[in-house]
Amino acid sequence: GAVVSQHPSRVICKSGTSVKIECRSLDFQATTMFWYRQFPKQSLMLMATSNEGSKATYEQGVEKDKFLINHASLTLSTLTVTSAHPEDSSFYICSAAGAGNTIYFGEGSWLTVV
Amino acid sequence: AQTVTQSQPEMSVQEAETVTLSCTYDTSESDYYLFWYKQPPSRQMILVIRQEAYKQQNATENRFSVNFQKAAKSFSLKISDSQLGDAAMYFCAYRWETAQGGSEKLVFGKGTKLTVNP
Repeated sequence: GAVVSQHPSRVICKSGTSVKIECRSLDFQATTMFWYRQFPKQSLMLMATSNEGSKATYEQGVEKDKFLINHASLTLSTLTVTSAHPEDSSFYICSAAGAGNTIYFGEGSWLTVV
Repeated sequence: AQTVTQSQPEMSVQEAETVTLSCTYDTSESDYYLFWYKQPPSRQMILVIRQEAYKQQNATENRFSVNFQKAAKSFSLKISDSQLGDAAMYFCAYRWETAQGGSEKLVFGKGTKLTVNP
C-alpha cells in the first residue's frame, strides 16, 4: 500500500538554528501534502497545505517566515523551521493524499530545540 | 466551519469486551469523508476505518465498525473483542471535497484515550 516516509524521526537543534524535515511519498505521486503539529496530549493542528509547484497555503496563526514549506517534486515536501526556539519543540507530522482519497501519514518527527 | 467533537477524553474497556467511541461533526457539505485514526504511543497515525458520506451502509473492518448517522451528524466507532494492542489515542476526522475535486485537509477531533484492561 501507499507509504509516506518522514525524516528525521528525531532531531535536536540549537536555538537560533534552522532544521529541515522531509516528507516523501514512496510509491505514489502527491500533488498535495499537509503538515501538522501536535502538542503533548493534544490533537493534530494543521499548519499548512503544501502544493507541488506553487506556494504553500498556511493556516491562520502560522508564521510563514518561520515555517518554510517547499514542495519541489511530486514526491517530496520539506518543512524548514527557521531560527528555531525552544517553544518550537514539538511533534511534526506530514500526510499525503493517495489513491481512493485516502490520507496517509508519515511517521512523524520529534523536534527538540535546546 | 467544519468541526469535529469527541466528547469522551478517556475510555476504558476490559479485554475481549466491546467499546464504543463517540464522534459528532458539524458541516454544511453534502459530500465528505469520515475517518477514525489510531495513534499509539509511537505517534504513528494509523487509519482504522473510513466512511464515505454518500454510502448508507456502515463501514466495517474486522473488529472495527462504525455507526454512521448522517442526519444526526454522528460517527461512532465500535471496537469488538478488544485487545491490549487496541490501547491508543483515537481521533475522529472529517474531510470534504471541493467542487474542483481533489483532496482537502483533515479536521480532527480532540481524541479519546482508550485503555484496555487485561
